[in-house]
Amino acid sequence: GAVVSQHPSRVICKSGTSVKIECRSLDFQATTMFWYRQFPKKSLMLMATSNEGSKATYEQGVEKDKFLINHASLTLSTLTVTSAHPEDSSFYICSARYRGPEATGELFFGEGSRLTVL
Amino acid sequence: AQRVTQPEKLLSVFKGAPVELKCNYSYSGSPELFWYVQYSRQRLQLLLRHISRESIKGFTADLNKGETSFHLKKPFAQEEDSAMYYCALSGGGYQKVTFGTGTKLQVIP
Repeated sequence: GAVVSQHPSRVICKSGTSVKIECRSLDFQATTMFWYRQFPKKSLMLMATSNEGSKATYEQGVEKDKFLINHASLTLSTLTVTSAHPEDSSFYICSARYRGPEATGELFFGEGSRLTVL
Repeated sequence: AQRVTQPEKLLSVFKGAPVELKCNYSYSGSPELFWYVQYSRQRLQLLLRHISRESIKGFTADLNKGETSFHLKKPFAQEEDSAMYYCALSGGGYQKVTFGTGTKLQVIP
């Protein structure tokens, strides 16, 4: 099946620094990538939808200047948390979807990235 | 606006008992509906989608447009079914995918 790789799986940074998380689709072209934040009680919050070659569409309440999303190619999307603060500490998950011939609409998920901001 | 509601945060059932995980949605068009599952220490993965009308691991889900529901059912729960289950909705095409808050299924031996 399709594989999505997310890196790094864990990152610890100091408050005020920026952190970049990568999401790669390894064996398919992801026309759309999504970034989610998973909270301690496991609920998934959609942060933004990213279609290749266009600007990401952010959900209400998500600061686009703080959470920079780039989807420069059909296999790579990045999330950069700028000037991170302790409240940004969370589990971030990316997912990818293929929309082409024989597409099923299924999302393929990365392993997630645990961000801890000190 | 699209919305997915999973009213139960936790559902505990005994092994062999029937399971029904509830999901209701709100969407103005024709939705694509999915159930995703997250087993302990594993990534989220697709369980089933309404279009395929298939049974996966004994689970089925029927889209009821009148009640705007897509409940997940299994006649006899097994211990390995214990996991987090998420109902998800997409408008199709390049539309976003919205998840419910998830239901933790705990199957008691």
